[in-house]
Amino acid sequence: NAGVTQTPKFQVLKTGQSMTLQCAQDMNHEYMSWYRQDPGMGLRLIHYSVGAGITDQGEVPNGYNVSRSTTEDFPLRLLSAAPSQTSVYFCASSYRREGYGYTFGSGTRLTVV
Amino acid sequence: EDQVTQSPEALRLQEGESSSLNCSYTVSGLRGLFWYRQDPGKGPEFLFTLYSAGEEKEKERLKATLTKKESFLHITAPKPEDSATYLCAVQIVSNTGKLIFGQGTTLQVKP
Repeated sequence: NAGVTQTPKFQVLKTGQSMTLQCAQDMNHEYMSWYRQDPGMGLRLIHYSVGAGITDQGEVPNGYNVSRSTTEDFPLRLLSAAPSQTSVYFCASSYRREGYGYTFGSGTRLTVV
Repeated sequence: EDQVTQSPEALRLQEGESSSLNCSYTVSGLRGLFWYRQDPGKGPEFLFTLYSAGEEKEKERLKATLTKKESFLHITAPKPEDSATYLCAVQIVSNTGKLIFGQGTTLQVKP
């Protein structure tokens, strides 16, 4: 049982490049989400999904896209990377949207130069 | 505005020296309060969920309690392996399932 798997662990991008952060879970969780963690800002919700085919915006969605074609996968796409997107990104999943503890992945550390 | 504040920001303890971490919150409607442990370079690891005032949960040397305005994470006789950042998060009644995180308390336990 792998839990939540994120790839890559580290990435350096140039301003304007695009990329996809991968997230997969094997716990049959309905709810999946993406957070970013920045010093002094804590963890903030980017996008979330309550099931396959259903996604919605969180607190800081600008510059990011998501899709959820299967229960297991929830990739996060950076459309045109900016230095302000330098951060650590965490994918998290939960059995349901509310009331259950999230399982977090190990994170992707992204640097945009 | 929904807000979560943790104190202290950093805490240094000697091995065996018990203490408490505080998480105070101001939210419109509490769905649950969560405690996580985060080690450097890793994702948060789920510890506890508390749903209503008066509730308590325990796990090894950790005990979490909840009132209507705050939660405490009590650490009894800590060991060096308890060193980590402890995050408190509140889930409000909403459509997003969003967790509102505090800034965390970084705990260092010296042998």
